[in-house]
Amino acid sequence: GESVGLHLPTLSVQEGDNSIINCAYSNSASDYFIWYKQESGKGPQFIIDIRSNMDKRQGQRVTVLLNKTVKHLSLQIAATQPGDSAVYFCAENGDNFNKFYFGSGTKLNVKP
Amino acid sequence: GAGVSQSPRYKVAKRGQDVALRCDPISGHVSLFWYQQALGQGPEFLTYFQNEAQLDKSGLPSDRFFAERPEGSVSTLKIQRTQQEDSAVYLCASSLDVLNTEAFFGQGTRLTVV
Repeated sequence: GESVGLHLPTLSVQEGDNSIINCAYSNSASDYFIWYKQESGKGPQFIIDIRSNMDKRQGQRVTVLLNKTVKHLSLQIAATQPGDSAVYFCAENGDNFNKFYFGSGTKLNVKP
Repeated sequence: GAGVSQSPRYKVAKRGQDVALRCDPISGHVSLFWYQQALGQGPEFLTYFQNEAQLDKSGLPSDRFFAERPEGSVSTLKIQRTQQEDSAVYLCASSLDVLNTEAFFGQGTRLTVV
């Protein structure tokens, strides 16, 4: 299967600071990526997506960066809030849109 | 409905028992996915439907797992003769179109096999 992994399994930040969550993917054919947030006991929640023809996309307080050269994806959260505490997954579509491959997740702890 | 709905939220089954997990996708969504999530892991793909057609079932771990979506809306994941290794959260997701962008997940069904 595909290999989607995260560099930091746990990230602790102070409230108000910016957070950066990183993800490496292995399939150079992947052309669509999604970041999901998963709170305890809930299903993954869509945050932001990006296609391979872009290298940056911004949402509300979040930015996703894609570096296809080194097959790296990052999620930046500005002014991190306690409500941002969750596990974050990146997912790639591999070589088709019929399935997504998820990494093992990064847990974000926001300290008040 | 407003989101993807799954039932039951929790299911405890005795080893060897058959279970059926239900998914109500967002109305009008063409694509439907089932994923399995073990504790502390990311979701793993099980199967994919486009309307009523099951286009990909490559992730189903054994022939004890069966999924259907007969009318292209509600889907059921059935697990026969459950085993302890089947214990996991089963997630359903739906997407509006065949490009499967912005797939939205339900809250999942936590299956515990004892």
